[in-house]
Amino acid sequence: DTGVSQNPRHKITKRGQNVTFRCDPISEHNRLYWYRQTLGQGPEFLTYFQNEAQLEKSRLLSDRFSAERPKGSFSTLEIQRTEQGDSAMYLCASSRQGDGSPLHFGNGTRLTVT
Amino acid sequence: RKEVEQDPGPFNVPEGATVAFNCTYSNSASQSFFWYRQDCRKEPKLLMSVYSSGNEDGRFTAQLNRASQYISLLIRDSKLSDSATYLCVVPSSDGGSQGNLIFGKGTKLSVKP
Repeated sequence: DTGVSQNPRHKITKRGQNVTFRCDPISEHNRLYWYRQTLGQGPEFLTYFQNEAQLEKSRLLSDRFSAERPKGSFSTLEIQRTEQGDSAMYLCASSRQGDGSPLHFGNGTRLTVT
Repeated sequence: RKEVEQDPGPFNVPEGATVAFNCTYSNSASQSFFWYRQDCRKEPKLLMSVYSSGNEDGRFTAQLNRASQYISLLIRDSKLSDSATYLCVVPSSDGGSQGNLIFGKGTKLSVKP
């Protein structure tokens, strides 16, 4: 399978705990995106990378959120001191470089903060 | 104007009907747009890319109106399997790195027998 892969598929955590998600993009794609989606809403942009460089981060994103893509391949998204409002589906997508390139999404990681 | 705006629906149509969705955007410099389809509790999947004036793929037609800054999606001869949420995607207008793609909230379509 050469699609975008995300792990874990589901994560249940208690408020205040830290969580980390992983995304493996399509191998020839150099752009990698993180989105968050809640019920009834479209995906909300969080951040994106071109190779290992984090080019943009949503102004609405809390400092508790951090993402890395150290070697320009897989990426991790960490949420520190989780809150109930962080409960959502976290979607990773990748694309080729170029503004006309569509995104290809992984299955997502569903986070539930209790 | 919001960066991207869609009618949330739901659109309830009978099988065989023709249905159209509109999506307005604010970034007049945008060159490429996309329509995605999302089934319940699944990830979005690319339906169509929209460049220049429009694009057609079987029963699906996407059109771009730059003057009025909207794109549309037309579905002809609706099938039960077309029931899903349709998401409009446009480049961000916030002056960032130009790679940021913004999703609309989606339009829900329900095709009934």
